[in-house]
Amino acid sequence: SAVISQKPSRDICQRGTSLTIQCQVDSQVTMMFWYRQQPGQSLTLIATANQGSEATYESGFVIDKFPISRPNLTFSTLTVSNMSPEDSSIYLCSVDPMRAYGYTFGSGTRLTVV
Amino acid sequence: ILNVEQSPQSLHVQEGDSTNFTCSFPSSNFYALHWYRWETAKSPEALFVMTLNGDEKKKGRISATLNTKEGYSYLYIKGSQPEDSATYLCAWSSGSARQLTFGSGTQLTVLP
Repeated sequence: SAVISQKPSRDICQRGTSLTIQCQVDSQVTMMFWYRQQPGQSLTLIATANQGSEATYESGFVIDKFPISRPNLTFSTLTVSNMSPEDSSIYLCSVDPMRAYGYTFGSGTRLTVV
Repeated sequence: ILNVEQSPQSLHVQEGDSTNFTCSFPSSNFYALHWYRWETAKSPEALFVMTLNGDEKKKGRISATLNTKEGYSYLYIKGSQPEDSATYLCAWSSGSARQLTFGSGTQLTVLP
């Protein structure tokens, strides 16, 4: 299965600033998915990142707030812009190179906005 | 709205006890049901991907069953060990989409 390196693992940020999270996959994958888990909530899909096209955002998430880059088939970034305390969450990237065996996740970014 | 629900929300058991959790999901347009184990500070780890009604899968002391007609899956852990302590997530996918819809998880604590 694929191996994903996600950075940073955690950060504490001031409100109004932005944070960019990176995910590097050790193999080429068509789709990368970005999720977040707010405290006490389930993992929620933010967007699907495809190489060579704009990301597809889920209801309630917009590109201005969560811009995504996908410059090649092994790398993607998610930026959390103009942060507020409500953005404090765990952010995860994932891929499904072999759908029958389940998704592979990065180790997560634990973000606290103060 | 596509709801995936898990129960219980949290569970404490003694080492050696067997336990089980429930995941309910939409039965229409079903494609697959996933189970993941998520330990603190680690990545969620895939346990099972189940697609067929009546399917039963096993991995060591952990097993899962699937009923797609009524929209539920059970995860069983036999002889729980402290290292089984984690949050267990189920996730559903439909035939038309590749992304997963997750439940809120069952947090298991196994006491030595």
